[in-house]
Amino acid sequence: QQQVKQSPQSLIVQKGGISIINCAYENTAFDYFPWYQQFPGKGPALLIAIRPDVSEKKEGRFTISFNKSAKQFSLHIMDSQPGDSATYFCAAGYGGATNKLIFGTGTLLAVQP
Amino acid sequence: NAGVTQTPKFRVLKTGQSMTLLCAQDMNHEYMYWYRQDPGMGLRLIHYSVGEGTTAKGEVPDGYNVSRLKKQNFLLGLESAAPSQTSVYFCASSYPLDGELFFGEGSRLTVL
Repeated sequence: QQQVKQSPQSLIVQKGGISIINCAYENTAFDYFPWYQQFPGKGPALLIAIRPDVSEKKEGRFTISFNKSAKQFSLHIMDSQPGDSATYFCAAGYGGATNKLIFGTGTLLAVQP
Repeated sequence: NAGVTQTPKFRVLKTGQSMTLLCAQDMNHEYMYWYRQDPGMGLRLIHYSVGEGTTAKGEVPDGYNVSRLKKQNFLLGLESAAPSQTSVYFCASSYPLDGELFFGEGSRLTVL
């Protein structure tokens, strides 16, 4: 019940295309869903996060879509750029309890020029 | 502002050897964490600390020990390294009740 399932494991997108990464969770007590971006040789960094009181959150080209009834959330990267090539991790947790974050297994995104 | 700094960045150990990874943060964060990252496994929490002098077990604590003697430092120790501990280790810190984790750049450990 504590798992966060992430797919796909890897993704290749052409420049200008839309990248979509999906995550699913089981624990209905989760109320905080962040996405982290990790470039090679670097640590993950918070990209965008959503709480279940909204169904969508957009920051620039990055959008989180949240489906509470399906217990799924996804990251959409519009107009994907080669600089977006990175590993993306979804996570789920309980409000501000950062010690309780459960991470997905990661998606390696490659945006081809 | 350095953020979260991990040392060393790379280390090769033989089975049975011991070592300590050091994490230092300059953001005055209360919470600190040690994660390991393995291919196909994502990030898994080893141990964490909610304040100076406190530590707690995470998801995969076996084979590791930690100490938080100073607020800005969090040490991860391996007393008797095993090949299964070959991994990339990340330290992170955060404010209490705030969702954002700030990660270091990682320490790559190979156990032969």
